[in-house]
Amino acid sequence: NAGVTQTPKFRVLKTGQSMTLLCAQDMNHEYMYWYRQDPGMGLRLIHYSVGEGTTAKGEVPDGYNVSRLKKQNFLLGLESAAPSQTSVYFCASSYAQINYGYTFGSGTRLTVV
Amino acid sequence: AQSVSQHNHHVILSEAASLELGCNYSYGGTVNLFWYVQYPGQHLQLLLKYFSGDPLVKGIKGFEAEFIKSKFSFNLRKPSVQWSDTAEYFCAVNTGHGNNRLAFGKGNQVVVIP
Repeated sequence: NAGVTQTPKFRVLKTGQSMTLLCAQDMNHEYMYWYRQDPGMGLRLIHYSVGEGTTAKGEVPDGYNVSRLKKQNFLLGLESAAPSQTSVYFCASSYAQINYGYTFGSGTRLTVV
Repeated sequence: AQSVSQHNHHVILSEAASLELGCNYSYGGTVNLFWYVQYPGQHLQLLLKYFSGDPLVKGIKGFEAEFIKSKFSFNLRKPSVQWSDTAEYFCAVNTGHGNNRLAFGKGNQVVVIP
C-alpha cells in the first residue's frame, strides 16, 4: 500500500550541481505532477504529465526538466541548481477523472547552498 | 487564469473553539473544489471535496465545507477543534476543462493551543 513514493527525502546541493528527484506511484494513475511548496506561497505546479511519454509545463517550470518514460515514474531534474530552488518538492498523482483528487508523496526537502 | 484566495494565513485558537477558513476562487463556470490538510512534517491529505449535489459537504475528522456559488466560496468549518488539528490547510480548485490541474490557495496555518 505504498501510494506515491518520493526519493530522496532530503538533499543538500551546491549551486550549479545537478540532481534528479524520483517519484513512483503504484496506483496505475494516468496523471502525475510536480509541485514546489514555499512558505506563504502555497503549492505551485512545476510540470505535469497526462500519460506515459508526455509532459507539460506548469506555473513555474524554469530551471526544471521532467521525464515520464514509464507510467509509474515521474522524474524531476535540476540541471544547474540555484539557491532559489531551495524548497520542498511534492509529487502527486491522480486518475484521469479528477473525482478522487490527488494522492501526494511525502515530499523532498532540497536545500541549495 | 484561475486563482484561489485564502485569507488569514495564520490562525491561532484554543481547543474547543470553532474554526472557519475562507476560500474564494475566481472562475465563473463549473468547478470542482477540494480542501487538503498537511500535518506538521507530512504530506497533503484530502479532507473533503465537492463536485455536485448538496452544497454542504462533510469530510473526515469532523470537518465540513459549504459551497456558495453566488459568492464563489468554499469555506471550511469545524465546530470544536482539537490540538491534533494543528496543521496547514489548503483550498484547491479544478475548473473541469478536460484537465486535472488543481490551483491551490496559499494555505492557512492553524495552531490549536491545548
